[in-house]
Amino acid sequence: QQQVKQSPQSLIVQKGGISIINCAYENTAFDYFPWYQQFPGKGPALLIAIRPDVSEKKEGRFTISFNKSAKQFSLHIMDSQPGDSATYFCAALYNFNKFYFGSGTKLNVKP
Amino acid sequence: GAVVSQHPSWVICKSGTSVKIECRSLDFQATTMFWYRQFPKQSLMLMATSNEGSKATYEQGVEKDKFLINHASLTLSTLTVTSAHPEDSSFYICSARDPGLATETQYFGPGTRLLVL
Repeated sequence: QQQVKQSPQSLIVQKGGISIINCAYENTAFDYFPWYQQFPGKGPALLIAIRPDVSEKKEGRFTISFNKSAKQFSLHIMDSQPGDSATYFCAALYNFNKFYFGSGTKLNVKP
Repeated sequence: GAVVSQHPSWVICKSGTSVKIECRSLDFQATTMFWYRQFPKQSLMLMATSNEGSKATYEQGVEKDKFLINHASLTLSTLTVTSAHPEDSSFYICSARDPGLATETQYFGPGTRLLVL
């Protein structure tokens, strides 16, 4: 059973555009929601994260929007750049210990 | 941020042999490390949680006798794939939790690509 559902599977955005990736979860016991960026052949790197008591968090061009009642959260990348081309994973943390990852979104930012 | 290293970065072995992968926390002592497996174009799946000085906790469906985990020190955890077969070929990634930071903070290693011929 997929604990965290992520969409879309792939995304093509023009340089300067907004990239939006969505995730949904079922378990209300999740208490931390990070987004990771992964380049080919590399491990995931933490991009930005949010706790469920906050509805939005912004760090530079990256924003997480969190809707607790809908059990959904999304990543917005403003002014997308070719260097942002990577695979992005959402995740949810259970009991401060176990991460459940979404299936990933491959982002391609066209120059 | 904290650095977690893995060695080797890639390994090719013959079917039936054993392969050891090391995960090190370079600038902090990690009481807990995690091992993940990632198949091509798929997500990370947690295999086991490694606790320093005690037995690892394996996720459902992961064979503990096949994937041996040892966390003998606060900076090193090892994953040994015993009697490797082609279906074990995958990208193995470890992560480590810095106990000095918020409990949800985990740092991921660069991964080890295993190819079993």
